[in-house]
Amino acid sequence: NAGVMQNPRHLVRRRGQEARLRCSPMKGHSHVYWYRQLPEEGLKFMVYLQKENIIDESGMPKERFSAEFPKEGPSILRIQQVVRGDSAAYFCASSPAGILNGYTFGSGTRLTVV
Amino acid sequence: RKEVEQDPGPFNVPEGATVAFNCTYSNSASQSFFWYRQDCRKEPKLLMSVYSSGNEDGRFTAQLNRASQYISLLIRDSKLSDSATYLCVVNGREGAQKLVFGQGTRLTINP
Repeated sequence: NAGVMQNPRHLVRRRGQEARLRCSPMKGHSHVYWYRQLPEEGLKFMVYLQKENIIDESGMPKERFSAEFPKEGPSILRIQQVVRGDSAAYFCASSPAGILNGYTFGSGTRLTVV
Repeated sequence: RKEVEQDPGPFNVPEGATVAFNCTYSNSASQSFFWYRQDCRKEPKLLMSVYSSGNEDGRFTAQLNRASQYISLLIRDSKLSDSATYLCVVNGREGAQKLVFGQGTRLTINP
């Protein structure tokens, strides 16, 4: 009974490259959430998705960032033309339906932009 | 005003002590409340939900005061393994599906 799976665990990109972060929710969970944690800061909401739908993207930067959760396969957070300020831990969480019992987080992807 | 505010600490207490954290939230319509724990360079993990009547889980007690929009966490007989950052979490302003995290309170238990 695997938990929320994120990969890669660590990702190094040069400025201007693209970063793709993947998240497979727990079995039976249809809601996926992405959060970003900058060094020494709290978690900031980015986007909430259900299968094939973006429900709330109010925390996503207007440019360079996109997210999807296709019918088949993991959810993808894509960052184009990365900059040093994108260096952070990106956590994905999933829930079965709603947040009544909180989320379960994956172990995160640590992105370093050099 | 931040949606969820916590004293960042750090709190340094001796093993066996009782320690309490507080948190305030700005959205009076919030319905879901949690405490999460985050170890250094790890993902946050759900510690406990917080119910209106207050609830206890072993050495941990959580309380909610809706009138004051205030949440607390009490840890009794603290252990070295309790050292972590404790995150106060409420559902977000725009709707129930988004959780908003406080910045966290760092706790270190000393032997």
